[in-house]
Amino acid sequence: DVKVTQSSRYLVKRTGEKVFLECVQDMDHENMFWYRQDPGLGLRLIYFSYDVKMKEKGDIPEGYSVSREKKERFSLILESASTNQTSMYLCASSSEQGSIGKLFFGSGTQLSVL
Amino acid sequence: RKEVEQDPGPFNVPEGATVAFNCTYSNSASQSFFWYRQDCRKEPKLLMSVYSSGNEDGRFTAQLNRASQYISLLIRDSKLSDSATYLCVVTPMFSGGYNKLIFGAGTRLAVHP
Repeated sequence: DVKVTQSSRYLVKRTGEKVFLECVQDMDHENMFWYRQDPGLGLRLIYFSYDVKMKEKGDIPEGYSVSREKKERFSLILESASTNQTSMYLCASSSEQGSIGKLFFGSGTQLSVL
Repeated sequence: RKEVEQDPGPFNVPEGATVAFNCTYSNSASQSFFWYRQDCRKEPKLLMSVYSSGNEDGRFTAQLNRASQYISLLIRDSKLSDSATYLCVVTPMFSGGYNKLIFGAGTRLAVHP
């Protein structure tokens, strides 16, 4: 079974703090993604990466950055957390050779920024 | 207008009932369609793909109507374990090696005894 592991299930941070969300997958997948999920809005893509050291902006990249130094690890960084970044963050991965549309998600990190 | 729209529900149905949800999409060039299932406080998981000819998997049937730009999910003989949020997913285009997925906000189904 594919496993996508996110480092924290719940996280509470203060406004202005730098926040790191870590994601690791164990299936040698090329593609990795960061989404946020908010009630009534669905999942929105923040950033994605299709190879090591490669990154592409998604639909809502403002206020975020990412790092992919190793194939299995994709980190999301909030440079200066703000209250409107309170959300559920979901990491996902997929294979180039896999079915289009088949994403494997981590269990999510509920981030609260106070 | 949202790219992918779903009725948020909840749809409250008794066990054994048949229930159907629709999902509309705005981009007529959309290529691929999927249904994901998300249990409460869990991550989304792929339920099934939606093909032009329709797709059936046990009690679940997915249909695509390109002319009216919607997809549907039909669940027959509902079980308590079907209670979840069902997410409609659309890929508007295929771009290089990456397929961009657009998620709907989901339809909540609650099956009661």
